[in-house]
Parts: sequence; structure tokens; C-alpha cells
Amino acid sequence: SQTIHQWPATLVQPVGSPLSLECTVEGTSNPNLYWYRQAAGRGLQLLFYSVGIGQISSEVPQNLSASRPQDRQFILSSKKLLLSDSGFYLCAWSETVVGEAFFGQGTRLTVV
Amino acid sequence: RKEVEQDPGPFNVPEGATVAFNCTYSNSASQSFFWYRQDCRKEPKLLMSVYSSGNEDGRFTAQLNRASQYISLLIRDSKLSDSATYLCAVGRDYKLSFGAGTTVTVRA
Repeated sequence: SQTIHQWPATLVQPVGSPLSLECTVEGTSNPNLYWYRQAAGRGLQLLFYSVGIGQISSEVPQNLSASRPQDRQFILSSKKLLLSDSGFYLCAWSETVVGEAFFGQGTRLTVV
Repeated sequence: RKEVEQDPGPFNVPEGATVAFNCTYSNSASQSFFWYRQDCRKEPKLLMSVYSSGNEDGRFTAQLNRASQYISLLIRDSKLSDSATYLCAVGRDYKLSFGAGTTVTVRA
């Protein structure tokens, strides 16, 4: 069966520090991969998605970037964090163009 | 206009009650529809897909109205364990867009 791993679970980072969140999927090939952010009490905002290695689509211009160095690995990065980058970051995968997405356990990021 | 909108609630219902709520979407070209459940400080988990003809999964019934561009979720015989935030999701061209969620609290 397919599983998705996302780490770390919680992170406290100072303003201006770099960020790297990693997500890996097992048990499937060529998944569509997604990064979402959920601010406190808010809905999920799609940040990036990828349909293949090295292919990244950005949904919202911001202080973040994403990379997909391997088929089942998706990385979210920032060179300098802002206070507004705080939130619950969720990685997800899906098998088809419009299929359901399955989420990792999320990373709760607090920028101080 | 947001792509997906939901009544945030909260819906506060007694055990055994029926509760229903809707979600509207703006893009008529949307291709797929889902309901997710999210518990406090947890990741969303797929509750059910929504099909054009409507579908049931136990106490949960989902409906899709393409003409009016909304989906609905009905929960019968509510349990305490149904307390959660319910997110609707709409898919199109690799992207799944979510509503902000409807909070349901079931009280004893």
C-alpha cells in the first residue's frame, strides 16, 4: 500500500533563517505531488504541485520554492523565512489528474 | 471570488441528529469532487468521493448538483466521533482546491 512520510512534525525557526521540508511517498510510481499551507483557522492553500521529476508549478508567488529531485521526493524550501510563513504545511500525493489526494501528517512551522 | 466556498458553521447538534451542509464551487469545468474530514491539528483525511448520481457511505450521503455548482454532505444519526471540520475539495487539471471547512460539533 502507499504511504507518505513528511518531516519534521513541528519546527520553530527564527525570521530570516532557511527552511527545508521533505516529503517522500512509497508504494507508487510517478505520483502527482503537492504542497499546501493551512494558516490557523483557515483553509488549505495550494502552494506547489508537480506531475513529474523536475517539474514544478507554483500557484502563489511567495517566499517559498519547491523541488522534486526524485520521483517520490518533494522538497519545500525557503532561503529566508518571514513571520507570515508560519502555518501548517501539508504534503500530498495523488495518482491521477483529478483524483483524490492523500496527505502526510504535516509540519507545524512557527517563525519567531 | 474564491474557487470553493463553505459555510464555516459551527454546526452544533445533539447525538442522533441529522446535519447537512453545502459547498459551492465557481468553475463549471471542475471535474472531481470530494469530502475530507480534518480533526484538530491533524491532516485532512478523505471521507468520500462525490459522484454525479449521489452516493452513500454508511451514515454519510454526498450529493453533487452541477447545474447549481454545489456539493452537499449529510450526516445521519450523528455520533460524538463525527465532531470535526469537514472540507470539500474540487479537482481540475491536476489541482485540488479546498474550501475553508465546516465545523461540526456533536454534543451528548
